[in-house]
Amino acid sequence: EIVLTQSPGTLSLSPGERATLSCRASQNISTIYLAWYQQKPGQAPRLLIYSASSRATGIPDRFSGSGSGTDFTLTISRLEPEDFAVYYCQQYGSSPRYTFGQGTKLEIK
Amino acid sequence: EVQLVESGGGLVQPGGSLRLSCAASGFTFTSYWMSWVRRAPGKGLEWVANIKQDGSDKYYVDSVRGRFTISRDNAKNSLYLQMNGLRAEDTAVYYCARDRAGYSSGWYFYYFDYWGQGTLVTVSS
Repeated sequence: EIVLTQSPGTLSLSPGERATLSCRASQNISTIYLAWYQQKPGQAPRLLIYSASSRATGIPDRFSGSGSGTDFTLTISRLEPEDFAVYYCQQYGSSPRYTFGQGTKLEIK
Repeated sequence: EVQLVESGGGLVQPGGSLRLSCAASGFTFTSYWMSWVRRAPGKGLEWVANIKQDGSDKYYVDSVRGRFTISRDNAKNSLYLQMNGLRAEDTAVYYCARDRAGYSSGWYFYYFDYWGQGTLVTVSS
């Protein structure tokens, strides 16, 4: 089973700053199998990025994904107030079919 | 507009049963794998189970295999999760999600492109 480890657990930044969130896999995974989601309190998760770097429909271009092998990154270029939330990386595999990282909470400094 | 609406959550005693439903609309239900994903209080997301378009293939996370059963009724555009032998650690918000397929260089990959708002299951005496 592939384990995804996200860091940091909590990231405190101010609006306008750049956010860099990390997701490390316990073994190499293909970039096509890596996705990122945003979840706000009381809301359903929202797909941001799939295939490591492809933005989902309607996602602002301040969100970008990168990485390969075991190291993947979600970058938010300039934080807007609505971007403060919990972010999860997720990989598609064989068993279990999907695994998620434990999440990074992005909070207002 | 794609909509996924869960129902059936509630309070149940340990060892009890519950059946969750997810009503889908706004897309061709029979074209997609569908999943259940949960989030326990204070924890992250955990995929629970998914089911193929025609119901012929089903997969489960180890912690629920043998206790939970995923099913679908394509005539009703509905997804279900029958939960038996419930434990305190099954307490969570349960989300219905659509598995979106992609294809690249001979390989299929999947991710969740639409989610419901969730239904809360609480297992407690």
